[in-house]
Amino acid sequence: EAGVTQSPTHLIKTRGQQATLRCSPISGHTSVYWYQQALGLGLQFLLWYDEGEERNRGNFPPRFSGRQFPNYSSELNVNALELEDSALYLCASSPYSGAQSYEQYFGPGTRLTVT
Amino acid sequence: GNSVTQMEGPVTLSEEAFLTINCTYTATGYPSLFWYVQYPGEGLQLLLKATKADDKGSNKGFEATYRKETTSFHLEKGSVQVSDSAVYFCALVQTGANNLFFGTGTRLTVIP
Repeated sequence: EAGVTQSPTHLIKTRGQQATLRCSPISGHTSVYWYQQALGLGLQFLLWYDEGEERNRGNFPPRFSGRQFPNYSSELNVNALELEDSALYLCASSPYSGAQSYEQYFGPGTRLTVT
Repeated sequence: GNSVTQMEGPVTLSEEAFLTINCTYTATGYPSLFWYVQYPGEGLQLLLKATKADDKGSNKGFEATYRKETTSFHLEKGSVQVSDSAVYFCALVQTGANNLFFGTGTRLTVIP
């Protein structure tokens, strides 16, 4: 069974540009989560999508946004990039049924560098 | 609010030594608790989990027990190997929510 996949592996952008990161969940998983792993800040929750809708977001500005497609894959968009957005962005997926929580399975991440 | 406090690293041990990485949490209600591991150059992998008080999660020789009275979920292994060198993250998910709250991670290096 294929795991969570993310693309691209690395992304280099300049300040002020937009970045788009992509994630494909494990087959059968409807929930997709995005996390930011920045140096010195640990892993922080960004966004959660399920069944095409944004269910929750972390404490990040609105220039971090995304969407989930009918096939449950997801995009994370970061507008007006700032130097401090440089980080490893991790995507995770899980099955989701009602309010019950399931363990999350992580992809390898996209390393975003803003210069 | 929810938070996870993890033992600061880095931790360096000799092969076959005993490992403990402390983790305490703050949460309302009854969260589920997890240990994730990140090997060099790889993504996060679930190592073990516990979903209610007194549950013991175990995998690959690692163990952690959900202690509600001390709000702790310490990770232990009796005899570490060089291949256990990685960063270990303690995490919780609040009942009814889905986003994970992570500790800051503890880097473990095991030397032969």
